[in-house]
Amino acid sequence: DIQMTQSPSSLSASVGDRVTITCRASQSISSYLNWYQQKPGKAPNLLIYAASSLQSGVPSRFSGSGSGTEFILTISSLQPEDFATYYCQQSYNIPHTFGQGTKLEIK
Amino acid sequence: QVQLQESGPGLVKPSQTLSLTCTVSGGSISSGNYYWSWIRQPAGKGLEWIGRIYTSGSTNYNPSLKSRVTISVDTSKNQFSLNLNSLTAADTAVYYCAAVGCGGGSCYLAYWGQGTLVTVSS
Repeated sequence: DIQMTQSPSSLSASVGDRVTITCRASQSISSYLNWYQQKPGKAPNLLIYAASSLQSGVPSRFSGSGSGTEFILTISSLQPEDFATYYCQQSYNIPHTFGQGTKLEIK
Repeated sequence: QVQLQESGPGLVKPSQTLSLTCTVSGGSISSGNYYWSWIRQPAGKGLEWIGRIYTSGSTNYNPSLKSRVTISVDTSKNQFSLNLNSLTAADTAVYYCAAVGCGGGSCYLAYWGQGTLVTVSS
């Protein structure tokens, strides 16, 4: 299985901050990388697919970059509704594994 | 927009088989725009990909579950299903079904059901 490792595992930030979350794959996955946001008690929601493509309806303050083994999710200016847990997922090989998650909390 | 809804028992006994159904609305499951997946999440933990099915019936499973899992599709009912046998407490989780789209060189979980909590306990 391809191992996906996110850093940090948790992060405290303030409204208006620029935040980056990193996801590293144990082998090259080209651009087969997706990002999801999950709020407590809710299903995850797709933010970014194919490493850098913004899902329809997702605010433009979210962006993704990277290829190969290292990927970054950036939130340019944190809003109150962005405090949640974020997961990366690779779809290069079966099983389509997820990172362990990054919990973004209010400072 | 595609909508998905999981249904099934909330409590299952150890060693028994879990059967969940996902009903798709807002489009035909056979449209070819999506394929279909199951994911689960133990309380307070991360996401685990269980497997996927195409409307042709072709499947792929997580090797960690492969000997116990079956995913099937019923196009006449616009539904797909998950069967997981030989249950243990470790299978206690919220189970999600999802519609998987592909584009830009990746396949992604585009739409999710709300999830259903399954507890394995005697």
